[in-house]
Amino acid sequence: SQTIHQWPATLVQPVGSPLSLECTVEGTSNPNLYWYRQAAGRGLQLLFYSVGIGQISSEVPQNLSASRPQDRQFILSSKKLLLSDSGFYLCAWSDLASEQYFGPGTRLTVT
Amino acid sequence: GQQVMQIPQYQHVQEGEDFTTYCNSSTTLSNIQWYKQRPGGHPVFLIQLVKSGEVKKQKRLTFQFGEAKKNSSLHITATQTTDVGTYFCAVDFGNEKLTFGTGTRLTIIP
Repeated sequence: SQTIHQWPATLVQPVGSPLSLECTVEGTSNPNLYWYRQAAGRGLQLLFYSVGIGQISSEVPQNLSASRPQDRQFILSSKKLLLSDSGFYLCAWSDLASEQYFGPGTRLTVT
Repeated sequence: GQQVMQIPQYQHVQEGEDFTTYCNSSTTLSNIQWYKQRPGGHPVFLIQLVKSGEVKKQKRLTFQFGEAKKNSSLHITATQTTDVGTYFCAVDFGNEKLTFGTGTRLTIIP
């Protein structure tokens, strides 16, 4: 069966510091991968998605970037965090069936 | 861009009452999906509807896809405290990603 991992679960970072969040998927090959951000009590904002290694589509211009160095690894990064980057970051995967399966998320607080 | 409207934004019900959330689109949809996110948790896929007029049930949950495939609803009969959470609809517009509705947050008054 498929499993999706995200870490860390929570993170507190100062403004201006770098960020690296990792997501890995097990039990499937060539999945579509997605990064979402969710502000407290709000909906899901799609940040990036990838349909293959090295292929990244950006949905919202911002100071974040994403990379997919391996088939089942998706990384979200920032060189310098802003206060507005605080939120709940969710990674998800899907295959041809299109429904998405989410990881447990990372709760980021920028101070 | 393509959007899907979801109402209401919030719903407070007494335990045992029914609950319904609606999603509407201005364009004909190929399919619609529903997700549930418990407080503090991540969204979990519930179901996908594909056919015009389709009705699917999962215990106390009833999902409907409109005849014109432009709207959908999720109805919960006799809510329980375990139903608390935010319910999202999501649409695949055929561009490798889902467009999520804004969600309906359900709270239950015991």
